[in-house]
Amino acid sequence: QVQLVESGGGLVKPGGSLRLSCAASGFTFSDYYMSWIRQAPGKGLEWVSYISSGSSFTNYADSVKGRFTISRDNAKNSLYLHMNTLRAEDTAVYYCTRGSGWTVYWGQGTLVTVSS
Amino acid sequence: EIVLTQSPGTLSLSPGERATLSCRASQSVTSSYLAWYQQKPGQTPRLLIYGASSRATGIPDRFSGSGSGTVFTLTISRLEPEDFAVYYCQQYGSSPFTFGPGTKVDIK
Repeated sequence: QVQLVESGGGLVKPGGSLRLSCAASGFTFSDYYMSWIRQAPGKGLEWVSYISSGSSFTNYADSVKGRFTISRDNAKNSLYLHMNTLRAEDTAVYYCTRGSGWTVYWGQGTLVTVSS
Repeated sequence: EIVLTQSPGTLSLSPGERATLSCRASQSVTSSYLAWYQQKPGQTPRLLIYGASSRATGIPDRFSGSGSGTVFTLTISRLEPEDFAVYYCQQYGSSPFTFGPGTKVDIK
């Protein structure tokens, strides 16, 4: 069955960096666009970024453009989110999801806390 | 950016009642690329509807979606106890993709 397992979250100071990873299994990873969606504590959902199956196309929310970079390694069935210049408002659970628009499959999420 | 507004913010109903949730877009949503999700506390979102009106696999037929352009509706024909949750709409027709703020359906 489809499994998405995120890792790499934690506590980081404002201005710091973090790399999130998502290990995918149960499907042909290289066939699918992949996305990151986040949810601040007690708040709603926010789409962050997507990447095409072959990494040719990427897209970002305005709130993270220029600070975050999405990438993937199809040989390792892995998705990444490189986050730089982190701000308090980036504090959220980050979900790895399959697809670029509507999505059925979500990981359990990894919590990123940006605080001094 | 397309801004989605959901109403009401909270809907208080009893089991067996009909729920009607609204999602309005600030601009027309391309090709009715609109989805609805359900989220319960401590759980990841569950896809209910995509393409404005297509039910996702395994979703009961008491859930239905309708609408086009800038006005969309999620209807739950008869609320079951497990349906009390937060519901989000999402447009994926124009980048950046955006979610609405959610409607909480709670027990009256």
